[in-house]
Amino acid sequence: KQEVTQIPAALSVPEGENLVLNCSFTDSAIYNLQWFRQDPGKGLTSLLLIQSSQREQTSGRLNASLDKSSGRSTLYIAASQPGDSATYLCAVVSGTYKYIFGTGTRLKVLA
Amino acid sequence: GAGVSQSPSNKVTEKGKDVELRCDPISGHTALYWYRQSLGQGLEFLIYFQGNSAPDKSGLPSDRFSAERTGGSVSTLTIQRTQQEDSAVYLCASSSLRNEQFFGPGTRLTVL
Repeated sequence: KQEVTQIPAALSVPEGENLVLNCSFTDSAIYNLQWFRQDPGKGLTSLLLIQSSQREQTSGRLNASLDKSSGRSTLYIAASQPGDSATYLCAVVSGTYKYIFGTGTRLKVLA
Repeated sequence: GAGVSQSPSNKVTEKGKDVELRCDPISGHTALYWYRQSLGQGLEFLIYFQGNSAPDKSGLPSDRFSAERTGGSVSTLTIQRTQQEDSAVYLCASSSLRNEQFFGPGTRLTVL
C-alpha cells in the first residue's frame, strides 16, 4: 500500500531564504508526482507535475525533483517571500489515476 | 469556465438532513474526483469518474454517500442523513490527459 510522507510538518523561515520541502513515498512504481499549495480555507493549486520519466520540473522560483528509485521528491523554493506562506502538498499517482496525498508541510515565511 | 467550480461554497445543515454538493469540472476533462478534507487532516479519496466507465467508489465512507456524473460533465455528491462527523471540506478535482489534477475551491459542510 502506497504511503506518502512529508517532512517537516511545519517550517518557519525568514524572507529571502532558499528552502527545501521533502516528500517520500513507499512504492516506487508511480505514474507521476504533483506538488500543490493550499491557502487557508481554499482549494489546492497545482504547482508542478513530474511525470515518471522525468527527473525535475521548474516553474519560476520553484524546482521539483523526482528520484523514483529512492522514493523521494523535493520542492525547492528560491528567495522565499511572505506570499509563499501556505501548506504544500505532494501527491503520487499509483496505477493510472489513484492519487495518494501526503499530509503537507505548513510553511510560514516571515517578513 | 477557466477552472473547476463548486457550489455551494458553504453549507450548514442539521443532523439527519440530506445535502447535495455540486462540481463543474474543466471543460474537456474526462476524469473527475471527489475528496474530503477534515480539519487538520490530509485529503481522503472518495470517488473517481472517468468518461463512461463505472466509477471507482472505493473511498465512500458509508452507504449514505453517493455521487453521480451526468453527461460526463457536472457531478453531484449526495450525503443522506448527515451526521456531525460528515463536517469537512469537500473538494472536487478534474484532470487532464497528463493526469494533472486541478481543484475547485471546495464546499465547507457543517453539520450541527
